[in-house]
Amino acid sequence: DAGITQSPRHKVTETGTPVTLRCHQTENHRYMYWYRQDPGHGLRLIHYSYGVKDTDKGEVSDGYSVSRSKTEDFLLTLESATSSQTSVYFCAIRDTGGTEAFFGQGTRLTVV
Amino acid sequence: KQEVTQIPAALSVPEGENLVLNCSFTDSAIYNLQWFRQDPGKGLTSLLLIQSSQREQTSGRLNASLDKSSGRSTLYIAASQPGDSATYLCAVRRDTGNQFYFGTGTSLTVIP
Repeated sequence: DAGITQSPRHKVTETGTPVTLRCHQTENHRYMYWYRQDPGHGLRLIHYSYGVKDTDKGEVSDGYSVSRSKTEDFLLTLESATSSQTSVYFCAIRDTGGTEAFFGQGTRLTVV
Repeated sequence: KQEVTQIPAALSVPEGENLVLNCSFTDSAIYNLQWFRQDPGKGLTSLLLIQSSQREQTSGRLNASLDKSSGRSTLYIAASQPGDSATYLCAVRRDTGNQFYFGTGTSLTVIP
């Protein structure tokens, strides 16, 4: 298995609170991604990173911010959680070129 | 924007049957296509990666084909087993940009 760890695996939080999800890799891959998975929508890209301090927005980036200060860690922050952000969040990594993407086990976030 | 469609959304077959899962995409300017398997409550497991210059890839009982010009890929599963029951997802990476576009998946049930 690719060395990807997401934490926490489950979280329940209240509307309006900040939340940070962490993705940690041991593969030294350049690219890291955050996706969310919702019934009927499949997986949609929130943000991705192509290097330390280099990030870009995906199709559903509103309400989310990211940071990557080290190659191995990619953080996703919900500044003020809303019920519409209840979802399963997946981190993925990929090396350069036409290589495979590998996914973490997911974080189930519930905003009440 | 790249649109990815997977038909059927659900499929139920008896054990031992050969089956084909379909994936279609709207923009043929792709870099590669990757098939994943997702078990309930779990992350995505990479099955096969096909580069845009390739026609097919094989791994054990799985064979994936790619027809870039027509915007289609198929995943062929030979001699299906109950352990193959899962949701199968395809993801397309465009030849410009670094993100993956996912279909909503085909939920496969193999009946013993």
